Amino acid sequence: GAVVSQHPSWVICKSGTSVKIECRSLDFQATTMFWYRQFPKQSLMLMATSNEGSKATYEQGVEKDKFLINHASLTLSTLTVTSAHPEDSSFYICSARAPSDEQFFGPGTRLTVL
Amino acid sequence: RKEVEQDPGPFNVPEGATVAFNCTYSNSASQSFFWYRQDCRKEPKLLMSVYSSGNEDGRFTAQLNRASQYISLLIRDSKLSDSATYLCVVNIAGTYKYIFGTGTRLKVLA
Repeated sequence: GAVVSQHPSWVICKSGTSVKIECRSLDFQATTMFWYRQFPKQSLMLMATSNEGSKATYEQGVEKDKFLINHASLTLSTLTVTSAHPEDSSFYICSARAPSDEQFFGPGTRLTVL
Repeated sequence: RKEVEQDPGPFNVPEGATVAFNCTYSNSASQSFFWYRQDCRKEPKLLMSVYSSGNEDGRFTAQLNRASQYISLLIRDSKLSDSATYLCVVNIAGTYKYIFGTGTRLKVLA
């Protein structure tokens, strides 16, 4: 199956710093990627839809100025958590929509903010 | 009301048992349905798509009831390796967004 990678796989940072997470589709072009967040024992919550070459679409309640999304190419979307705080600690997962419309998930990035 | 609802479990079953999970969805514009499996601290992986006519893949059978707005997953002859969280996922017509249920935890016991 198609492969989607994320980097880094885990990160620990101090409160107030910014963290960038990369999501890459390795063997297909993805005009649309999605960013999810999953807190312990909860489901994946869609944060935003990342569209190549245009602005991301954020879900209700997600601060676009805090979670900056850039989808500069057909194989790369980045999520930057700005001024991270402990409550932002979570498992961040991206998915990429393949030309077949199937979505493939990245392995996730575990963020811990101290 | 949540868009996609599942019983969180856990369902503890012995090896070899048959277990069934249900999932209800509230948006009548839902058009595609999936079951994903998620292991602890891992990303979700597609288990199977759910078609109107129902579909089967080995020990796994999925059913869709549009009138009642629910989907089901049946696992026969449970294996220890089936222990995981099973996520019900719905796609809304006209969007590419996936809406996830909270997941149902399954533990298959030796």
